[in-house]
Amino acid sequence: ETGVTQSPTHLIKTRGQQVTLRCSSQSGHNTVSWYQQALGQGPQFIFQYYREEENGRGNFPPRFSGLQFPNYSSELNVNALELDDSALYLCASSLTGVSSGNTIYFGEGSWLTVV
Amino acid sequence: QQQVKQSPQSLIVQKGGISIINCAYENTAFDYFPWYQQFPGKGPALLIAIRPDVSEKKEGRFTISFNKSAKQFSLHIMDSQPGDSATYFCAAMGLRGYQKVTFGTGTKLQVIP
Repeated sequence: ETGVTQSPTHLIKTRGQQVTLRCSSQSGHNTVSWYQQALGQGPQFIFQYYREEENGRGNFPPRFSGLQFPNYSSELNVNALELDDSALYLCASSLTGVSSGNTIYFGEGSWLTVV
Repeated sequence: QQQVKQSPQSLIVQKGGISIINCAYENTAFDYFPWYQQFPGKGPALLIAIRPDVSEKKEGRFTISFNKSAKQFSLHIMDSQPGDSATYFCAAMGLRGYQKVTFGTGTKLQVIP
């Protein structure tokens, strides 16, 4: 167990709808990242949040947005859902700091199906 | 843009055999190379990792070999067991700036009795 918890575990949405996915980071971790993993592929970096601000973003359109809260938990929001958004969405937790090390822990993911 | 190339796509190994997965990277800014193990329906779990100033790292049955000049690294699983059957991802990160993990395409390993 990594201590990174995500909800919901599975959900089905209709094309054009909006979805919010949630993540609680591991205790003591101050950085949260989100990844999209399509079936049979490796995870792709969406963005990272540190100190409640986005400080890195992958090649994803603006309809993918996020938040980080003072307790370091995070949300991923996707607007105007498209069929290709169907994937496993992974939250990753880590510690940014002088003596942080490099370990990044992933949650179990949220399976999103867009129909 | 595939910055970390991984092969083979799938691998079948007899129980007790050695599983070998190879990866190559392009970006010389990468300076941390983790391997992740993922079981169906689960998130990726960190298995072992190496920095480029080390040519080999061993943890139990898992060994990473690293060739900095060739920009290649590999995972060896010794004495492979059916419980090792999973998808393995090599990955790369830069230690400066934000912590983005760039994953390979994955290798589906099946260890048969």
